[in-house]
Order: sequence, then structure tokens, then C-alpha cells
Amino acid sequence: AQKVTQAQTEISVVEKEDVTLDCVYETRDTTYYLFWYKQPPSGELVFLIRRNSFDEQNEISGRYSWNFQKSTSSFNFTITASQVVDSAVYFCALNNQGGKLIFGQGTELSVKP
Amino acid sequence: DVKVTQSSRYLVKRTGEKVFLECVQDMDHENMFWYRQDPGLGLRLIYFSYDVKMKEKGDIPEGYSVSREKKERFSLILESASTNQTSMYLCASSLVYSRGGYTFGSGTRLTVV
Repeated sequence: AQKVTQAQTEISVVEKEDVTLDCVYETRDTTYYLFWYKQPPSGELVFLIRRNSFDEQNEISGRYSWNFQKSTSSFNFTITASQVVDSAVYFCALNNQGGKLIFGQGTELSVKP
Repeated sequence: DVKVTQSSRYLVKRTGEKVFLECVQDMDHENMFWYRQDPGLGLRLIYFSYDVKMKEKGDIPEGYSVSREKKERFSLILESASTNQTSMYLCASSLVYSRGGYTFGSGTRLTVV
């Protein structure tokens, strides 16, 4: 069975704080892809990152970083020095070779000034 | 600027009405998807299509049907709307080998009264 779990429903931080969004996945496939999407208040999901199961190297893009650990089936997302514009719902997702995306429940991040 | 366009941002319909949600993409993508988004449940796949006139059921197809007569257009049909179909509906498209790199529309918030 394929499953993605985002245990944090809501997170509230003050601007400039660092925040980590957790994502745990389940799959029996050896080849799969993991994603993070951002959904701002406008509603449109925006693609942030894709990682394949053979690449466990962590990635940094500006204030965003991702920690992929196959040993714990986790793909966590950290925002450093958060800003009000980071306020959104963030979704972690899994894609196996079947081609469909399976989403987690989403984490609503609120960054207060 | 390539995009996925959903015809309505907000829609209010009465119980028992037949409802059409339209989605058009201008990227010549083979794959198109309809998701439903509900608080605490994330995004759940209703139907998807890998080609014109082709459709496959997702995880929650009951009460819905779809139509894909042209490559760029994927319609979601609620045969007889019910109050439990009140939700946010998101359309997405992707290339056939994109491995989950979807482009999403802005969503249609449907209220059934």
C-alpha cells in the first residue's frame, strides 16, 4: 500500500523562525519519487521539489532545504528564517511507477509578523 | 505562460443538479487528473486520463464521471450533486513521463445546497 503521512496539521511560527514540516511515506516499490507542493491562499498548488528514491542527497534552495532519509522513510522540509509569504498549506506526495501522485493530508503553516 | 485553467472559481449548485467542472490545459500534456481537496484528508484522486477518450478511476470515483473528448480538455461531471460533494476540486496535467511533476489549476470551490 502507498501512503503519505503529514502528522502536523497546523504550525504557527513567528517571522524569522526556522520551521520543519514532517513527511513520512510508505511504499513497497524500490523506485519512486517524492514531492513537495505549496498551496498559497490563491489555491493553485505550486511544485517545489522532486526527489527519486535513489538519490538521498539533501538539497538546499535558498531558504528551503529537504532531508530525505530512506532508513526512516521520511522526506522532511525545512524553511529557514521564515517569512510571512511562506504562509500556505504544504503537501508532501509520493509517485510510484504507476504514475499517480498520492498526497499527504497537508500542513498549514502560518507565519506571523 | 503555460497553465491549467478551471472554468469557475466558485460554484453553488442545488442538490440533484447535474454539474460540469471544466479544465483546459495549453501544454499539450497527455495526462490529466481530477482531485478533491478536503480539510484533514489532503488531495484524493477522483479520475484521471492518459489519453483522449481514455479514463481510469481513482480512489474516490463514486458519484462522478469524466469526459475527455479533446486532449486539452478534461471535464468532471457530478451526475446528481449531493451535499457531501461540497469541496474544493483541483485539476492537474502532466507529461506522460513526468513522474508526478504536475501543473495544477487554481481550483473550483463547489458548494452544494
